[in-house]
Amino acid sequence: EADIYQTPRYLVIGTGKKITLECSQTMGHDKMYWYQQDPGMELHLIHYSYGVNSTEKGDLSSESTVSRIRTEHFPLTLESARPSHTSQYLCASSAGGQYGTDTQYFGPGTRLTVL
Amino acid sequence: GIQVEQSPPDLILQEGANSTLRCNFSDSVNNLQWFHQNPWGQLINLFYIPSGTKQNGRLSATTVATERYSLLYISSSQTTDSGVYFCAVGERAGGTSYGKLTFGQGTILTVHP
Repeated sequence: EADIYQTPRYLVIGTGKKITLECSQTMGHDKMYWYQQDPGMELHLIHYSYGVNSTEKGDLSSESTVSRIRTEHFPLTLESARPSHTSQYLCASSAGGQYGTDTQYFGPGTRLTVL
Repeated sequence: GIQVEQSPPDLILQEGANSTLRCNFSDSVNNLQWFHQNPWGQLINLFYIPSGTKQNGRLSATTVATERYSLLYISSSQTTDSGVYFCAVGERAGGTSYGKLTFGQGTILTVHP
Protein backbone atom coordinates (compact mmCIF):
# COMPACT_ATOMS: atom_id res chain seq x y z
CA GLU A 1 0.00 0.00 0.00
CA ALA A 2 1.09 3.54 -0.74
CA ASP A 3 1.79 5.86 2.16
CA ILE A 4 -0.57 8.77 1.73
CA TYR A 5 -1.39 11.22 4.49
CA GLN A 6 -4.11 13.77 5.02
CA THR A 7 -4.39 16.49 7.65
CA PRO A 8 -6.43 17.43 9.48
CA ARG A 9 -8.55 14.31 9.91
CA TYR A 10 -11.46 16.35 11.29
CA LEU A 11 -12.14 20.08 10.94
CA VAL A 12 -15.04 22.14 12.26
CA ILE A 13 -14.94 25.72 11.08
CA GLY A 14 -17.17 28.76 10.75
CA THR A 15 -18.63 30.16 7.55
CA GLY A 16 -16.33 32.48 5.59
CA LYS A 17 -13.05 31.03 6.82
CA LYS A 18 -10.26 30.08 4.45
CA ILE A 19 -9.10 26.49 4.83
CA THR A 20 -6.44 24.27 3.32
CA LEU A 21 -6.64 20.50 3.40
CA GLU A 22 -3.24 18.86 3.17
CA CYS A 23 -2.37 15.71 1.24
CA SER A 24 1.08 14.18 0.95
CA GLN A 25 2.38 10.91 -0.42
CA THR A 26 5.80 9.35 -0.04
CA MET A 27 5.70 6.90 -2.96
CA GLY A 28 6.77 9.30 -5.69
CA HIS A 29 3.48 8.87 -7.55
CA ASP A 30 2.93 11.21 -10.47
CA LYS A 31 -0.86 11.21 -10.37
CA MET A 32 -2.89 12.59 -7.49
CA TYR A 33 -6.63 13.08 -7.01
CA TRP A 34 -9.17 14.71 -4.72
CA TYR A 35 -12.59 13.13 -4.24
CA GLN A 36 -15.60 14.43 -2.34
CA GLN A 37 -17.96 12.06 -0.54
CA ASP A 38 -21.20 12.90 1.24
CA PRO A 39 -22.33 10.46 3.99
CA GLY A 40 -23.63 7.21 2.56
CA MET A 41 -22.91 8.27 -1.01
CA GLU A 42 -20.42 7.47 -3.76
CA LEU A 43 -17.18 9.36 -4.28
CA HIS A 44 -16.98 12.11 -6.90
CA LEU A 45 -13.74 13.36 -8.43
CA ILE A 46 -13.27 17.12 -7.95
CA HIS A 47 -9.59 17.66 -8.92
CA TYR A 48 -6.68 15.71 -10.35
CA SER A 49 -3.07 16.19 -11.29
CA TYR A 50 -0.78 14.23 -13.59
CA GLY A 51 2.40 15.82 -12.25
CA VAL A 52 4.06 18.99 -11.03
CA ASN A 53 2.33 22.15 -12.30
CA SER A 54 -0.52 20.06 -13.75
CA THR A 55 -4.02 20.43 -12.32
CA GLU A 56 -7.43 19.75 -13.83
CA LYS A 57 -11.01 19.96 -12.63
CA GLY A 58 -12.86 16.71 -12.12
CA ASP A 59 -16.35 15.58 -12.94
CA LEU A 60 -18.04 17.28 -9.97
CA SER A 61 -17.94 21.06 -9.95
CA SER A 62 -16.22 22.40 -6.85
CA GLU A 63 -15.42 25.88 -5.52
CA SER A 64 -12.13 24.57 -4.16
CA THR A 65 -8.75 25.03 -5.82
CA VAL A 66 -5.62 22.88 -5.83
CA SER A 67 -1.93 23.27 -6.52
CA ARG A 68 0.90 20.86 -7.36
CA ILE A 69 4.24 22.51 -6.76
CA ARG A 70 5.95 19.38 -5.51
CA THR A 71 5.38 15.78 -6.58
CA GLU A 72 4.53 14.61 -3.09
CA HIS A 73 2.17 17.44 -2.09
CA PHE A 74 -1.35 18.21 -3.39
CA PRO A 75 -3.19 20.67 -1.10
CA LEU A 76 -6.83 21.68 -1.56
CA THR A 77 -7.98 25.19 -0.61
CA LEU A 78 -11.39 26.71 0.04
CA GLU A 79 -11.16 30.53 0.06
CA SER A 80 -14.45 31.02 1.89
CA ALA A 81 -16.02 27.98 3.50
CA ARG A 82 -19.81 27.56 3.45
CA PRO A 83 -22.12 24.97 5.05
CA SER A 84 -22.61 23.42 1.58
CA HIS A 85 -18.92 22.46 1.68
CA THR A 86 -19.55 20.10 4.59
CA SER A 87 -18.40 16.69 3.37
CA GLN A 88 -15.57 14.16 3.51
CA TYR A 89 -12.61 14.90 1.25
CA LEU A 90 -10.42 11.99 0.18
CA CYS A 91 -7.03 12.26 -1.48
CA ALA A 92 -5.56 9.51 -3.66
CA SER A 93 -2.46 8.84 -5.70
CA SER A 94 -1.31 6.38 -8.34
CA ALA A 95 1.96 5.56 -10.03
CA GLY A 96 0.72 6.26 -13.53
CA GLY A 97 0.51 3.18 -15.66
CA GLN A 98 0.05 3.33 -19.39
CA TYR A 99 -3.44 4.51 -20.35
CA GLY A 100 -4.50 4.79 -16.73
CA THR A 101 -3.98 1.11 -15.93
CA ASP A 102 -2.80 1.67 -12.39
CA THR A 103 -4.03 1.24 -8.85
CA GLN A 104 -5.22 4.25 -6.86
CA TYR A 105 -4.39 4.39 -3.16
CA PHE A 106 -6.38 6.54 -0.76
CA GLY A 107 -5.54 8.61 2.28
CA PRO A 108 -7.64 8.44 5.47
CA GLY A 109 -9.76 11.45 4.51
CA THR A 110 -10.64 14.80 6.06
CA ARG A 111 -14.11 15.19 7.48
CA LEU A 112 -15.04 18.88 7.11
CA THR A 113 -17.96 20.53 8.91
CA VAL A 114 -18.76 24.18 8.17
CA LEU A 115 -21.09 25.82 10.65
CA GLY B 1 -19.48 9.43 -19.02
CA ILE B 2 -19.36 5.85 -17.92
CA GLN B 3 -22.09 4.57 -15.62
CA VAL B 4 -21.42 2.16 -12.73
CA GLU B 5 -24.19 0.23 -11.00
CA GLN B 6 -23.69 -1.91 -7.91
CA SER B 7 -26.03 -4.47 -6.41
CA PRO B 8 -27.43 -5.15 -3.95
CA PRO B 9 -27.49 -1.73 -2.25
CA ASP B 10 -27.71 -3.37 1.19
CA LEU B 11 -26.81 -6.82 2.44
CA ILE B 12 -27.23 -8.29 5.91
CA LEU B 13 -25.52 -11.56 6.79
CA GLN B 14 -24.90 -13.84 9.70
CA GLU B 15 -21.26 -14.49 10.50
CA GLY B 16 -19.98 -17.41 8.44
CA ALA B 17 -22.24 -16.82 5.44
CA ASN B 18 -21.02 -16.29 1.88
CA SER B 19 -22.00 -13.40 -0.38
CA THR B 20 -21.60 -12.06 -3.91
CA LEU B 21 -21.54 -8.37 -4.79
CA ARG B 22 -22.00 -7.24 -8.38
CA CYS B 23 -20.75 -4.27 -10.38
CA ASN B 24 -22.08 -3.46 -13.87
CA PHE B 25 -20.51 -0.79 -16.04
CA SER B 26 -21.68 0.81 -19.25
CA ASP B 27 -18.52 1.05 -21.37
CA SER B 28 -15.11 -0.51 -21.95
CA VAL B 29 -12.69 -0.09 -19.08
CA ASN B 30 -9.02 -0.65 -18.49
CA ASN B 31 -9.12 -0.06 -14.76
CA LEU B 32 -11.44 -1.63 -12.22
CA GLN B 33 -10.88 -1.59 -8.50
CA TRP B 34 -12.82 -2.92 -5.53
CA PHE B 35 -12.57 -1.02 -2.24
CA HIS B 36 -13.80 -1.56 1.29
CA GLN B 37 -14.63 1.60 3.23
CA ASN B 38 -14.39 0.99 6.96
CA PRO B 39 -16.52 2.79 9.59
CA TRP B 40 -13.85 5.48 9.94
CA GLY B 41 -14.09 6.38 6.26
CA GLN B 42 -10.80 4.86 5.11
CA LEU B 43 -10.88 3.27 1.67
CA ILE B 44 -8.92 0.03 1.56
CA ASN B 45 -7.85 -1.47 -1.75
CA LEU B 46 -9.16 -4.99 -2.20
CA PHE B 47 -8.44 -5.74 -5.84
CA TYR B 48 -7.18 -4.11 -9.00
CA ILE B 49 -8.96 -6.29 -11.55
CA PRO B 50 -9.78 -4.88 -15.01
CA SER B 51 -10.13 -8.48 -16.22
CA GLY B 52 -9.72 -12.04 -14.99
CA THR B 53 -9.92 -13.56 -11.53
CA LYS B 54 -7.97 -12.88 -8.35
CA GLN B 55 -8.12 -14.26 -4.85
CA ASN B 56 -6.90 -12.91 -1.53
CA GLY B 57 -7.77 -15.05 1.46
CA ARG B 58 -11.53 -15.17 1.93
CA LEU B 59 -12.09 -12.63 -0.84
CA SER B 60 -12.03 -13.20 -4.55
CA ALA B 61 -13.06 -11.17 -7.58
CA THR B 62 -13.86 -11.84 -11.20
CA THR B 63 -14.21 -9.31 -14.00
CA VAL B 64 -15.69 -10.25 -17.37
CA ALA B 65 -14.73 -7.17 -19.36
CA THR B 66 -16.49 -8.25 -22.55
CA GLU B 67 -19.79 -8.47 -20.67
CA ARG B 68 -19.08 -5.37 -18.58
CA TYR B 69 -19.46 -6.71 -15.09
CA SER B 70 -17.39 -7.65 -12.06
CA LEU B 71 -18.20 -9.81 -9.04
CA LEU B 72 -16.74 -9.70 -5.54
CA TYR B 73 -17.08 -12.89 -3.47
CA ILE B 74 -16.82 -12.90 0.30
CA SER B 75 -16.67 -16.31 1.93
CA SER B 76 -17.10 -17.18 5.61
CA SER B 77 -17.97 -13.57 6.42
CA GLN B 78 -16.81 -11.98 9.68
CA THR B 79 -18.10 -8.98 11.59
CA THR B 80 -14.98 -7.07 10.54
CA ASP B 81 -16.14 -7.38 6.92
CA SER B 82 -18.93 -4.89 7.67
CA GLY B 83 -18.75 -1.59 5.85
CA VAL B 84 -19.33 -0.24 2.38
CA TYR B 85 -17.90 -1.96 -0.69
CA PHE B 86 -17.25 0.22 -3.72
CA CYS B 87 -16.51 -0.70 -7.29
CA ALA B 88 -14.68 1.98 -9.33
CA VAL B 89 -13.79 1.94 -13.02
CA GLY B 90 -11.52 3.88 -15.33
CA GLU B 91 -12.41 4.38 -18.98
CA ARG B 92 -10.20 3.32 -21.83
CA ALA B 93 -7.44 5.60 -23.06
CA GLY B 94 -8.20 8.03 -25.84
CA GLY B 95 -10.98 9.78 -23.99
CA THR B 96 -10.74 12.65 -21.56
CA SER B 97 -11.01 10.36 -18.53
CA TYR B 98 -7.43 9.05 -18.58
CA GLY B 99 -6.53 7.68 -15.16
CA LYS B 100 -9.70 8.85 -13.44
CA LEU B 101 -12.06 6.55 -11.55
CA THR B 102 -15.85 6.61 -11.57
CA PHE B 103 -17.37 5.06 -8.46
CA GLY B 104 -20.55 3.06 -8.05
CA GLN B 105 -22.95 3.91 -5.26
CA GLY B 106 -21.65 1.09 -3.06
CA THR B 107 -23.05 -1.96 -1.25
CA ILE B 108 -23.55 -1.61 2.49
CA LEU B 109 -22.65 -4.91 4.14
CA THR B 110 -23.60 -5.69 7.72
CA VAL B 111 -22.37 -8.93 9.28
CA HIS B 112 -24.00 -9.94 12.55
CA PRO B 113 -22.28 -12.24 15.08
